[in-house]
Amino acid sequence: DVKVTQSSRYLVKRTGEKVFLECVQDMDHENMFWYRQDPGLGLRLIYFSYDVKMKEKGDIPEGYSVSREKKERFSLILESASTNQTSMYLCASSPPFNSPLHFGNGTRLTVT
Amino acid sequence: ELKVEQNPLFLSMQEGKNYTIYCNYSTTSDRLYWYRQDPGKSLESLFVLLSNGAVKQEGRLMASLDTKARLSTLHITAAVHDLSATYFCAVNSGNTPLVFGKGTRLSVIA
Repeated sequence: DVKVTQSSRYLVKRTGEKVFLECVQDMDHENMFWYRQDPGLGLRLIYFSYDVKMKEKGDIPEGYSVSREKKERFSLILESASTNQTSMYLCASSPPFNSPLHFGNGTRLTVT
Repeated sequence: ELKVEQNPLFLSMQEGKNYTIYCNYSTTSDRLYWYRQDPGKSLESLFVLLSNGAVKQEGRLMASLDTKARLSTLHITAAVHDLSATYFCAVNSGNTPLVFGKGTRLSVIA
């Protein structure tokens, strides 16, 4: 079974802090994704990566960056956290496109 | 730009009843996915629909795809409480990431 592990289930940070959300997958998947989920808005794509050291902007990249130094790990970085980044963050991975995504359990981030 | 619309967004239904969730999308797509999310949990894949006329069934859930109408339906038969969850459809086109609908929160009541 594919396992996508997000390092924190709950996280509370202060405005202006730099925040790292870590995601690791164990199935050698090429593609990895970061979504945020907000009530009434569904899932929105922040960034994705289809190979090591490659990254592409999704629909809402502002205020975020990512890092993919190893195939199994995809990190989401909030350079200076703001209250409007309070959300549920979901990491996912997949083999090449046109395959189902496998999601992690999510990180609920609160920025105060 | 690919857009995905689901309706209804909220659905409260009685046990034993049938209902359908609709998913419309705006441009030609390669495939359509249905996911389920339980409260506080992550998303799990339910169905992948690959071609026009595709139908997949598991238990009380049946999903179908009409690519000409750009429409997928998720039909619930004789609902039970265990089906209470949020259901998402998602679509992609070519080598692009999935675009998700806003989800349908289903509540099955006795």
